[in-house]
Amino acid sequence: EIVLTQSPATLSLSPGERATLSCRASQSVGSYLAWYQQKPGQAPRLLIYDASNRATGIPARFSGSGSGTDFSLTISSLEPDDSAVYYCQQRNNWPNLTFGGGTKVEIK
Amino acid sequence: QVHLVESGGGVVQPGGSLRLSCAASGFTFSNYGMHWVRQAPGKGLEWVAFIRHDRSNIYYADSVKGRFTISRDNSKNTLDLQMNSLRTEDSALYYCAKVASSSAGYFDPWGQGTLVTVSS
Repeated sequence: EIVLTQSPATLSLSPGERATLSCRASQSVGSYLAWYQQKPGQAPRLLIYDASNRATGIPARFSGSGSGTDFSLTISSLEPDDSAVYYCQQRNNWPNLTFGGGTKVEIK
Repeated sequence: QVHLVESGGGVVQPGGSLRLSCAASGFTFSNYGMHWVRQAPGKGLEWVAFIRHDRSNIYYADSVKGRFTISRDNSKNTLDLQMNSLRTEDSALYYCAKVASSSAGYFDPWGQGTLVTVSS
């Protein structure tokens, strides 16, 4: 099983600041990594797929990068609506799909 | 607009059974694979099962293999999850999700979930 480790567990930043979230895989997943946003009481929403491609309707302030074992999700200028838990997920080891433990982003 | 609505959750005793359903609309259901993903209260996400659009491939997480059965009815646009021999650790919010346009290995979109509680 591929284990995804996300850091930090919690990120507390002010509106307008840049947020950088990390996801590290226990073995290479190539570029086959996605990011999801989950707001309180809501289902997750796909933000980024294949490491760096924004899903339909996702604002340009969200960007993804990385390959192999190290990945990042960057929110270039935080807005209050970005308060959520963010999860990474790999599909390289299909069909054994796994998620990271999540990073909570708090807006001060 | 894709719409997924789960139902069938509830409280069940350990060792019991429950059948979840997901009603799909807004897309050609018979053309897309579907997943079940669960989330224990206050915890992260865990993939549970996948069924290909034509049922030719079905996969399960090791944690549910032999106890859960995923199925679909393309004539009714419904996805099901039959859960047997339930354990307390199966308690979770169960989401159905359509495969993403980019890849069957991603989930997009998700339903709102149905809550399963396994407790004596």
